[in-house]
Amino acid sequence: TQLLEQSPQFLSIQEGENLTVYCNSSSVFSSLQWYRQEPGEGPVLLVTVVTGGEVKKLKRLTFQFGDARKDSSLHITAAQPGDTGLYLCAGVPSGGNEKLTFGTGTRLTIIP
Amino acid sequence: ETGVTQSPTHLIKTRGQQVTLRCSSQSGHNTVSWYQQALGQGPQFIFQYYREEENGRGNFPPRFSGLQFPNYSSELNVNALELDDSALYLCASSRSGGRSYEQYFGPGTRLTVT
Repeated sequence: TQLLEQSPQFLSIQEGENLTVYCNSSSVFSSLQWYRQEPGEGPVLLVTVVTGGEVKKLKRLTFQFGDARKDSSLHITAAQPGDTGLYLCAGVPSGGNEKLTFGTGTRLTIIP
Repeated sequence: ETGVTQSPTHLIKTRGQQVTLRCSSQSGHNTVSWYQQALGQGPQFIFQYYREEENGRGNFPPRFSGLQFPNYSSELNVNALELDDSALYLCASSRSGGRSYEQYFGPGTRLTVT
């Protein structure tokens, strides 16, 4: 079973600060996705990265896929209270068939 | 475009009972996956259905079973409920082919087993 480890597990910072969340594995993934989940709701897809070294930006969020396609990071600039939530990375293993493997999650709290 | 819906929203069952959870996929999607999410953890893959057949299964016992119907909706059945089955059960739909790895989740069913 391929395991995606996220760090940190919990993060609480002040509004306006920057932060980075990491997603690491010893396995190669053909694609990797980031989701945000709020209490009582299902995960919402934020981005999909498929090429090693790929960088995607979504407003204040920057996502990067590692060159070897084994890791990814999510960087948030000038965090806002609306960014609060559970951030999940999820990968499709190389040679896999739509069967997402989810990371352990990072619970982010932005303090106003 | 209609999103993924799940029913019921919440459910309380007693150990040993059986439960059926339902999911309607997003319009245009023909693949449904089910996940179990324990409190404070990431979702764990249970199984996936495509064209009414099981198309992959995670590390869950046979008492977890499912169905997919011709309209692509799906059911998750759990027999002989155990206390550890208490979790949020998520359904996700996707479109096979193309960027089929992009899955869209429903709001989940919160199951409590007492």
